[in-house]
Amino acid sequence: KQEVTQIPAALSVPEGENLVLNCSFTDSAIYNLQWFRQDPGKGLTSLLLIQSSQREQTSGRLNASLDKSSGRSTLYIAASQPGDSATYLCAVKNSGYSTLTFGKGTMLLVSP
Amino acid sequence: KAGVTQTPRYLIKTRGQQVTLSCSPISGHRSVSWYQQTPGQGLQFLFEYFSETQRNKGNFPGRFSGRQFSNSRSEMNVSTLELGDSALYLCASSLDGISNQPQHFGDGTRLSIL
Repeated sequence: KQEVTQIPAALSVPEGENLVLNCSFTDSAIYNLQWFRQDPGKGLTSLLLIQSSQREQTSGRLNASLDKSSGRSTLYIAASQPGDSATYLCAVKNSGYSTLTFGKGTMLLVSP
Repeated sequence: KAGVTQTPRYLIKTRGQQVTLSCSPISGHRSVSWYQQTPGQGLQFLFEYFSETQRNKGNFPGRFSGRQFSNSRSEMNVSTLELGDSALYLCASSLDGISNQPQHFGDGTRLSIL
């Protein structure tokens, strides 16, 4: 059974810092991995999706990497801003027909 | 393009009642999945529908059921509500649920059981 762990559970940084969020998974035979953002009281916003054949994906100040063999993914946020404050979740899909298995998220607070 | 729409946004029910939640996927999306989110358990998969058929089911009791209509809109029903059913229920849609297309989530229905 796939298990997804996110470390740290919470992170507080001053504005402007570069930061890394970590995600690990127990079954390396994944189909893809997706990073989401969740604002309080809201649903999930898809940030990046990395296919199993890819090593990284970039969107603006966000860069996600994937190392299937070690069961790890990182989300790098450059030059953090207060508007980046949210909970970040990673989710793994194990096959084309499977559903998403989520980590419990990292709650990020960026202070002005 | 409109996103995933869930109604209602908030619901308050009492134990023993039943409830129906609705989800309208993004236009053209045929796969709809439902998730339950609680502080203790995080996000847990309930079920997935594609072309009006349940394709996957999570580990939830039979009190939780769903269906999908020909226009891909989906509903989930919870009968005999328990206090532990209090949660944020999220719906996600994607084109077909099996390709490398991202899943898009709605803002959820917050269900509170008194």
